[in-house]
Amino acid sequence: GEQVEQRPPHLSVREGDSAVIICTYTDPNSYYFFWYKQEPGAGLQLLMKVFSSTEINEGQGFTVLLNKKDKQLSLNLTAAHPGDSAVYFCAVSFYGSSGNKLIFGIGTLLSVKP
Amino acid sequence: DAGVTQTPRHEVAEKGQTIILKCEPVSGHNDLFWYRQTKIQGLELLSYFRSKSLMEDGGAFKDRFKAEMLNSSFSTLKIQPTEPKDSAVYLCASSLQGGSNERLFFGHGTKLSVL
Repeated sequence: GEQVEQRPPHLSVREGDSAVIICTYTDPNSYYFFWYKQEPGAGLQLLMKVFSSTEINEGQGFTVLLNKKDKQLSLNLTAAHPGDSAVYFCAVSFYGSSGNKLIFGIGTLLSVKP
Repeated sequence: DAGVTQTPRHEVAEKGQTIILKCEPVSGHNDLFWYRQTKIQGLELLSYFRSKSLMEDGGAFKDRFKAEMLNSSFSTLKIQPTEPKDSAVYLCASSLQGGSNERLFFGHGTKLSVL
């Protein structure tokens, strides 16, 4: 079945550095992609929803890239600050035999040190 | 902020007990999801409701886990009997409609510890 691999599981950077998280999916027919951020003790909050037709998506302080050829989705925090410290999850939506499915990556714990 | 509300925030149970977790989705949302979150497995889908109807019941969790949605504004997740391996954060999420294609709104979660 559909799988989503997320890496790295842990990432530690200095304030001002960039941080890149990558997810690789298997179903070429996947068409919706999500990045969520989870701060300590809180639920997941949506960072961005990406449609399969758009390759580069700019957010506030981050960029989401979708490479359909390699079936890869990435989140790039361009100049990380301590407030970005959280767990980040990618999620991929695809159409399975029993309807729409949403698969989450395992998560990446990002620590941004001053 | 009328987001997704989950109670309790923390639950401690002894092995063999029955516990009930509660969730109130965002008002007007038609889809409701229960997830289990652990560091090893990440987010695992337990149950999915659409307009109060159970659409998906996670196969591996069927025997001791039961989610119900008696009305559109309230859902429960019962674990009976609890086992230490059930220790995890249980997240409830809702979306307007559209299942897996729509943004999910998550509650803060219930952290369950089974001794």
